[in-house]
Amino acid sequence: DTAVSQTPKYLVTQMGNDKSIKCEQNLGHDTMYWYKQDSKKFLKIMFSYNNKELIINETVPNRFSPKSPDKAHLNLHINSLELGDSAVYFCASSQGLQGSPRYGYTFGSGTRLTVV
Amino acid sequence: AQTVTQSQPEMSVQEAETVTLSCTYDTSESNYYLFWYKQPPSRQMILVIRQEAYKQQNATENRFSVNFQKAAKSFSLKISDSQLGDTAMYFCAFMNGGAQKLVFGQGTRLTINP
Repeated sequence: DTAVSQTPKYLVTQMGNDKSIKCEQNLGHDTMYWYKQDSKKFLKIMFSYNNKELIINETVPNRFSPKSPDKAHLNLHINSLELGDSAVYFCASSQGLQGSPRYGYTFGSGTRLTVV
Repeated sequence: AQTVTQSQPEMSVQEAETVTLSCTYDTSESNYYLFWYKQPPSRQMILVIRQEAYKQQNATENRFSVNFQKAAKSFSLKISDSQLGDTAMYFCAFMNGGAQKLVFGQGTRLTINP
């Protein structure tokens, strides 16, 4: 009974392609996030959505576009993929309108994207 | 902006030993939360322990405990009786009370040797 599920777990694609990563949470959380983990394991926030509304948009190239059809889903679409986009992308969710600092986040298992 | 620093890129100990991972952070806020996450080779991010800044008592979860020094802005993780399954990357993370994002440190790769 997965709490935050991401698909696919692995994605290998060529430069210039467009790809999407899907995320769904069944925890009833209001806020969802996308984080990027680079090759040095550093985790950095990309976006957050609260109940379908964009809350945080860090300095991410506009080739990356999040979409939240409802509060249980947050998808990430990436256009014109570049070699530097290779990373692990994590979806996460938290409770409450502004996250729930008390409890932290629940993370998905990550999507390893490899651009060749 | 808040920053989180983990000064130990890698650590290695023998099974059953106690190990302490260091974390310092920088903030001007008084209300905030601190976390330790574990990332085993499976890649899953697992919450290990959390601490609320307004609580003076250090958090504990079974073999895991923290040493929270608010004035020094230090938040170290102690793992007692370490087990092979504790082998993982460990990330310290910070969140403001009113903020909406977790800020992570660079991580410490911990290896437990048999």
